[in-house]
Amino acid sequence: DTAVSQTPKYLVTQMGNDKSIKCEQNLGHDTMYWYKQDSKKFLKIMFSYNNKELIINETVPNRFSPKSPDKAHLNLHINSLELGDSAVYFCASSQGLAGVETQYFGPGTRLLVL
Amino acid sequence: DQQVKQNSPSLSVQEGRISILNCDYTNSMFDYFLWYKKYPAEGPTFLISISSIKDKNEDGRFTVFLNKSAKHLSLHIVPSQPGDSAVYFCAASVRGTYKYIFGTGTRLKVLA
Repeated sequence: DTAVSQTPKYLVTQMGNDKSIKCEQNLGHDTMYWYKQDSKKFLKIMFSYNNKELIINETVPNRFSPKSPDKAHLNLHINSLELGDSAVYFCASSQGLAGVETQYFGPGTRLLVL
Repeated sequence: DQQVKQNSPSLSVQEGRISILNCDYTNSMFDYFLWYKKYPAEGPTFLISISSIKDKNEDGRFTVFLNKSAKHLSLHIVPSQPGDSAVYFCAASVRGTYKYIFGTGTRLKVLA
């Protein structure tokens, strides 16, 4: 049974489109995250939510909007997609806030913007 | 500004030998460090961690060493197995900042 799942696994779309990536965790964790891994393989945090409240927003363009309907879900909506948005997006969760907590990652969503 | 650096993008080791993966950091405020392993088409999975109050932590075949004065940590895998072939990321955090900073990873290949 998958602990952190993401859909879709692959996403190919045109520039200017709007798309969403969904994330669900069944670990009962309080905190969820979105990371972006770019072509240089940097894994950078984008957002962190704790109990549905935004904790971290790492100067991500406001075309990216996370939404947490409940503690088990953190979705990522991207407006007006650009070529530079092509990357692998990972969702993660942890019991508490990161800093001393182990994070559990989803399998990633590979986004390609043409 | 890359605060966590893994300067070796790849490493090949014979099965049964020791694998040593290195990680350097620049922020002296970091006080918690982790290693993650990542297989292709999967997310990173937690391997081992160390707090800055320790200089060594061991878990089975995996040992992490922390040298605070050199701002350096390393992961030792002994003995290396073909199933250890993966990309290894180190990550660091400052307690209370609620985020980890990741390195760019080192691809380990264990040759049978």
